[in-house]
Amino acid sequence: QKEVEQDPGPLSVPEGAIVSLNCTYSNSAFQYFMWYRQYSRKGPELLMYTYSSGNKEDGRFTAQVDKSSKYISLFIRDSQPSDSATYLCAPWETSGSRLTFGEGTQLTVNP
Amino acid sequence: GAGVSQTPSNKVTEKGKYVELRCDPISGHTALYWYRQSLGQGPEFLIYFQGTGAADDSGLPNDRFFAVRPEGSVSTLKIQRTERGDSAVYLCASSPSGVRGHEQYFGPGTRLTVT
Repeated sequence: QKEVEQDPGPLSVPEGAIVSLNCTYSNSAFQYFMWYRQYSRKGPELLMYTYSSGNKEDGRFTAQVDKSSKYISLFIRDSQPSDSATYLCAPWETSGSRLTFGEGTQLTVNP
Repeated sequence: GAGVSQTPSNKVTEKGKYVELRCDPISGHTALYWYRQSLGQGPEFLIYFQGTGAADDSGLPNDRFFAVRPEGSVSTLKIQRTERGDSAVYLCASSPSGVRGHEQYFGPGTRLTVT
């Protein structure tokens, strides 16, 4: 079993829709939970992160972590065609070094 | 300011050849990471440098892979006797320190194709 599981999609939504992207993980030592956005043939771009459980909002994006169920979510409100990309969750443990990435979910927002 | 840069952006080599991939981290970042990303997958960790030393090289797949960071800034990933299975995008990331390893900023990657 992979440490981080993420539905690869693809996910296709109309412009303006609310998008929900999710990951599950197995390592209880993860403390920080990152979301990266990766456009085609580009490097991953750090979108936002949360520490431990709870919510964090940044503009149209909300990240949510439930450590009791080991569940990570990213919500995108009022989705735009420019949001079309692959979204990668990547938890991190403070005693470690590496980010452990999910497979990524490919999102397409149709105008 | 300038982000992480990687050269070359693309590299095509023949099976059995030696290649070097270069990474210039964000200025002032002491921690540097290498990852490998295959098509349709998330990046997989290779090695982590804190300063000049490799603090964690547990992700290197075998002894054909080696990386250096002699002055604590630029890093080079070296692959000997390349195999077709080494074809992937090699990503470099840097963070302000190891303690802030959750803030890793990635370069555009080097797309390696072994023919």
